[in-house]
Parts: sequence; C-alpha cells; structure tokens
Amino acid sequence: DAGVIQSPRHEVTEMGQEVTLRCKPISGHDYLFWYRQTMMRGLELLIYFNNNVPIDDSGMPEDRFSAKMPNASFSTLKIQPSEPRDSAVYFCASSPDRGEQYFGPGTRLTVT
Amino acid sequence: AQSVTQLGSHVSVSEGALVLLRCNYSSSVPPYLFWYVQYPNQGLQLLLKYTSAATLVKGINGFEAEFKKSETSFHLTKPSAHMSDAAEYFCAVSQNSGGSNYKLTFGKGTLLTVNP
Repeated sequence: DAGVIQSPRHEVTEMGQEVTLRCKPISGHDYLFWYRQTMMRGLELLIYFNNNVPIDDSGMPEDRFSAKMPNASFSTLKIQPSEPRDSAVYFCASSPDRGEQYFGPGTRLTVT
Repeated sequence: AQSVTQLGSHVSVSEGALVLLRCNYSSSVPPYLFWYVQYPNQGLQLLLKYTSAATLVKGINGFEAEFKKSETSFHLTKPSAHMSDAAEYFCAVSQNSGGSNYKLTFGKGTLLTVNP
C-alpha cells in the first residue's frame, strides 16, 4: 500500500483565499483524522471520522474550517477564508480498529 | 480523560550512548500507549505500541519501551544511539475499551539530538 496520501505538499496563499487540503487514507482503514501541527501549540486533533461519518469535531478552530469525507477513500479539509494564523502543517492519518494511526507526509500551509 | 507528559523537550546524547525519553500518562481506563518518531519535514511514524499484552514492547530501529502501571510511565529506550536517531519523538495515549478505536492524545514531543 502507498500509505496515506496528502495533497498538495506545500500551499502558499493570500489571506482571505479559500484553501482545500486533500487526503486519501489507507485502503480498509475505517478511521480518518485531521491534525494541525505548529511550534506553539504542538499537534492538535481537529476532527476525526469513522466510516465516513464525523465523530468528533471539537478541535476545529472555528467556522472557517470544515471537513468532509464523501467516501472511504477521500477526505478534504477546507479553510475559508484563510488567515495568517492558519499557517501550519496539516496532517491526515488513518487507522484500523486497534488504536495506532498512520500519518501522511503533511501539507505545509503558509498564509500571507 | 487522558493526558501525556513528556519530560524534557530536548535530549542530547553522544553517539553510542543510551537513549532514554520519558513519558508519563494519565488515563481513567486501561490505556493503549504509543511512541511515534518524526523526522524533519515528514509525518509521524509509529515506533512501537503497547496494547495490554507484554509490558516490555520492542519496536523498530532498536527501540523499546516498558509499560509500568504503578508509575504510569512508558519510557522509550535504546541501548546505543545512532546519528540517524536524531528526530522528534512523541508519546501518545488512547483508551483501551475492548478493541474500539479512540482518538490519540499526544505529548508535546522530545527533540533528540545525537552528537558525534
């Protein structure tokens, strides 16, 4: 398996623009997680899905952030409008049912 | 509720020396425990996991960790550090509830530097 795939790997955008991050989980994994990593706040869980259904979105910073999982092989995290404080590395991870999570390479987002 | 504390945000060792990275956890139910490693500009990679079987867990790259319930600890060790071990290490906990997956709570990470 190719592992968790994320695109794009790098994104530079201007404040106010819409940003969409994409993730393809490992086939057969029922859970999908979106994280954000910054120097100041470390690794934060934003939202996670089970069988394409959002289970816990308590970590989503505000209404500017939204996530979808239309099918078992694809998820998006959207920020609209983006702000400079959203600059971070965003990770997607997927998991079978035994706790361990497999992380993608991340998307480095810079909002200017 | 669950939480993880990693003692020492930065650990520096000499090549060939013992590596010891400390992790203490808090969990209201029996936990699953994990160590992940993150190399620069990469995602997190699973090193090893404890899921209520043997208390001494062996992982990849010569690392191992021991689950000590009385001390609520899960420290990571490696007998002899290699230059390639330089990375950031994260301890994480999730709830062990009969096989159901729960979200992971991560520590703040420990940056390991290996000096030649």
